[in-house]
Amino acid sequence: ETGVTQTPRHLVMGMTNKKSLKCEQHLGHNAMYWYKQSAKKPLELMFVYSLEERVENNSVPSRFSPECPNSSHLFLHLHTLQPEDSALYLCASRTGTGGYTNYGYTFGSGTRLTVV
Amino acid sequence: KQEVTQIPAALSVPEGENLVLNCSFTDSAIYNLQWFRQDPGKGLTSLLLIQSSQREQTSGRLNASLDKSSGRSTLYIAASQPGDSATYLCAVLNGANNLFFGTGTRLTVIP
Repeated sequence: ETGVTQTPRHLVMGMTNKKSLKCEQHLGHNAMYWYKQSAKKPLELMFVYSLEERVENNSVPSRFSPECPNSSHLFLHLHTLQPEDSALYLCASRTGTGGYTNYGYTFGSGTRLTVV
Repeated sequence: KQEVTQIPAALSVPEGENLVLNCSFTDSAIYNLQWFRQDPGKGLTSLLLIQSSQREQTSGRLNASLDKSSGRSTLYIAASQPGDSATYLCAVLNGANNLFFGTGTRLTVIP
């Protein structure tokens, strides 16, 4: 375990379902991220939260809705997804943004999402 | 926009060999570079982090180098083992605090 925990590990959902992915870290980090990893493509940044405020939304469709209730938890709410949204969704955290460039990222194990 | 390229895309070596994985990036204005390992269907495990002011970092059998001016980094793995089989990802952090990833090198170490 890296210290960043993601649940569930696997999720199969229909296009009309609503589900949520959860990410939790107790590393004392205050920046959290959602990434999408599709086959044969580089990891794509989806959302960035710093001190519980969303600081970046990387042109992600509105069917993905993030929520960061506190600095330890991050959610990704999913609704009316498409089959092409099937991917590995990774959560990451790090100490701060801006001046804290000396610190690396810690990733969770990911949620493998399949949309049918 | 920063582009990160990793060559080769896949590599197979017999156990015990030393090997080098390559990473190149188009914009040399980076803050740091991080090498990750990813096992099939799993998340990313951080291996080494090199700050822009550093030339290399070492951890056990792994050594990563950084030549920021030429936009290159290498990951050297000594005395490879079957347990080293995984995909290795390179990522660079730019001034806007965005992390850009390459597509990875899939390594297979044959017993």
